[in-house]
Amino acid sequence: QPVLTQPPSSSASPGESARLTCTLPSDINVGRYNIYWYQQKPGSPPRYLLYYYSDSDKGQGSGVPSRFSGSKDASASTGILLISGLQSEDEADYYCMIWSSNAWVFGGGTKLTVL
Amino acid sequence: EVHLVESGGGLVQPGGSLRLSCAASGFTFSSNAMNWVRQAPGKGLEWVSHISSSSSKIYYADSVKGRFTISRDNAKNSLYLRMNGLRAEDTAVYYCARVSTTVVGATPFDYWGQGTLVTVSS
Repeated sequence: QPVLTQPPSSSASPGESARLTCTLPSDINVGRYNIYWYQQKPGSPPRYLLYYYSDSDKGQGSGVPSRFSGSKDASASTGILLISGLQSEDEADYYCMIWSSNAWVFGGGTKLTVL
Repeated sequence: EVHLVESGGGLVQPGGSLRLSCAASGFTFSSNAMNWVRQAPGKGLEWVSHISSSSSKIYYADSVKGRFTISRDNAKNSLYLRMNGLRAEDTAVYYCARVSTTVVGATPFDYWGQGTLVTVSS
């Protein structure tokens, strides 16, 4: 099962954008995978945000604001979660996930701090 | 409204066993695949096991294969996880999570329970 690498932490100021990455091993074609993103706040279960496969195949979780969006950088074998117009309530842990070889795989998570 | 409520967690000695349950309500349980996901204290999410809606497809993480058994009773709207040979590293909050059937082309975990804590310690 592949390892999904996420930076342990990231920070940005309110109103700015945060770009969170989820890197797959270089020998894996990120273009083949749905990348799922979850948000988790302390003491709460994860919340499904969105999935991204391509610009024509993507989906937002129920009630998730449009300022959360996904993309990929195939050259870097990376899935990306972009949060625009950061708000203090966006401070949380963010996890990516894929389905590979009959297993769900989570990234290690990124703690986003809104300064 | 969809609700998932886990139970059965607690303190168990290394080598011991526990059976977790997840009671589902607010949707047609028999239509959705389900998963167990765990989170060790202060750590990230780790997928544990997946079961399809009819129990025909079952998958496990390598870390629990041969020790844990997932099952479901669609008549009782319940998901289970039998855990044997427990180790200290199995200490975690265990969540049950529903796989969405309404997202075309994707299978996200759209609803999660609040979790039940399993502590393995002597």
